[in-house]
Amino acid sequence: GAGVSQTPSNKVTEKGKYVELRCDPISGHTALYWYRQSLGQGPEFLIYFQGTGAADDSGLPNDRFFAVRPEGSVSTLKIQRTERGDSAVYLCASRLMQGDMMDSPLHFGNGTRLTVT
Amino acid sequence: SQQGEEDPQALSIQEGENATMNCSYKTSINNLQWYRQNSGRGLVHLILIRSNEREKHSGRLRVTLDTSKKSSSLLITASRAADTASYFCATDDRNNDMRFGAGTRLTVKP
Repeated sequence: GAGVSQTPSNKVTEKGKYVELRCDPISGHTALYWYRQSLGQGPEFLIYFQGTGAADDSGLPNDRFFAVRPEGSVSTLKIQRTERGDSAVYLCASRLMQGDMMDSPLHFGNGTRLTVT
Repeated sequence: SQQGEEDPQALSIQEGENATMNCSYKTSINNLQWYRQNSGRGLVHLILIRSNEREKHSGRLRVTLDTSKKSSSLLITASRAADTASYFCATDDRNNDMRFGAGTRLTVKP
């Protein structure tokens, strides 16, 4: 596709349930980032992948959050035992990393709005 | 965790005026980037300035970077109502982490 695609665009779930959020990056982009954004705040870094591996997962808030990118393209953010505090917009972004020059911009999807009731 | 802080948190100006937003950060960086966001959804990249650059222009945008003070500014000249949005700075550090500040909410009144 032409841009980063995130599905679903909206997800309502009950407290305690498990959810998966999907991100399809721009084809050929090697790096993929997940962020969480609450109303009126900036995007909060969660994790980023270089290829299939998580290069930095220091932003994941606790062990209920997990992300995978098994083939170096599509990524899934998984949240177990959801809590009301997990409600936010989850943003995915990808970028092309060329050689040693990492000065490339992020391309964002439109996000998944997660509501935990 | 957030990397930087934008200042001011909110800015309201008249159409035609200039808008200046500032960003401070904490770590060493490869580059600093500015993004715009409408309606709380996806962010759009505006401009990137490398750590060895001091100033960059793109259309009505002017970005400066002072690595000694760990700060950057974004100037939008001759603002338009359509510039109303939230603006975020993001730092690209040595580990290629991209971390964002809390943003400046700009309102341009027609």
